[in-house]
Amino acid sequence: GDSVTQMEGPVTLSEEAFLTINCTYTATGYPSLFWYVQYPGEGLQLLLKATKADDKGSNKGFEATYRKETTSFHLEKGSVQVSDSAVYFCALRAYSGYSTLTFGKGTMLLVSP
Amino acid sequence: NAGVTQTPKFRVLKTGQSMTLLCAQDMNHEYMYWYRQDPGMGLRLIHYSVGEGTTAKGEVPDGYNVSRLKKQNFLLGLESAAPSQTSVYFCAALDPAPTDTQYFGPGTRLTVL
Repeated sequence: GDSVTQMEGPVTLSEEAFLTINCTYTATGYPSLFWYVQYPGEGLQLLLKATKADDKGSNKGFEATYRKETTSFHLEKGSVQVSDSAVYFCALRAYSGYSTLTFGKGTMLLVSP
Repeated sequence: NAGVTQTPKFRVLKTGQSMTLLCAQDMNHEYMYWYRQDPGMGLRLIHYSVGEGTTAKGEVPDGYNVSRLKKQNFLLGLESAAPSQTSVYFCAALDPAPTDTQYFGPGTRLTVL
């Protein structure tokens, strides 16, 4: 079945550091890939997405590129802020007709001043 | 425009008690979902609905029932609560096109003693 594997956290960084959160997936066909973010005490919200190979999703300074050859969708940001502290979830949607998502276990990011 | 709302925000039950969690959306979306979030497990899909009057099982449906009598509401029921159902429950509604985004509610924290 479909699955998503993320690096375990927490990831602890100082403000303005470079961020990478690794995500790899297993799926048949050509899934769409997503990053969702969960701020403390809140529900998840979409951060960015990519629907086909070599697509780059970007939002709020975050980027991720859909790499089919390595089945990866790593999240990056050049300079993190304290306000980026949150849990980040990688997810995939295989074409099933009902748009269900398969989530990774989440990676907590802690950014200190 | 409230998006997705969930009622209640917190609840404590005793083993064997029953309760219903309410999810409401004001975005007129067809697809709705119920997830549970547990530490180290990410989000797991309990049940989902592709439209009024329809429901389907997700990854972890046992011990839960759902109903979608009205398009805007998706109810999750626990008939006989167990400590293993202690979790944070999230509801989501899908905007399939053009955004392909699931919009999440703020969550319900349930403790079963």
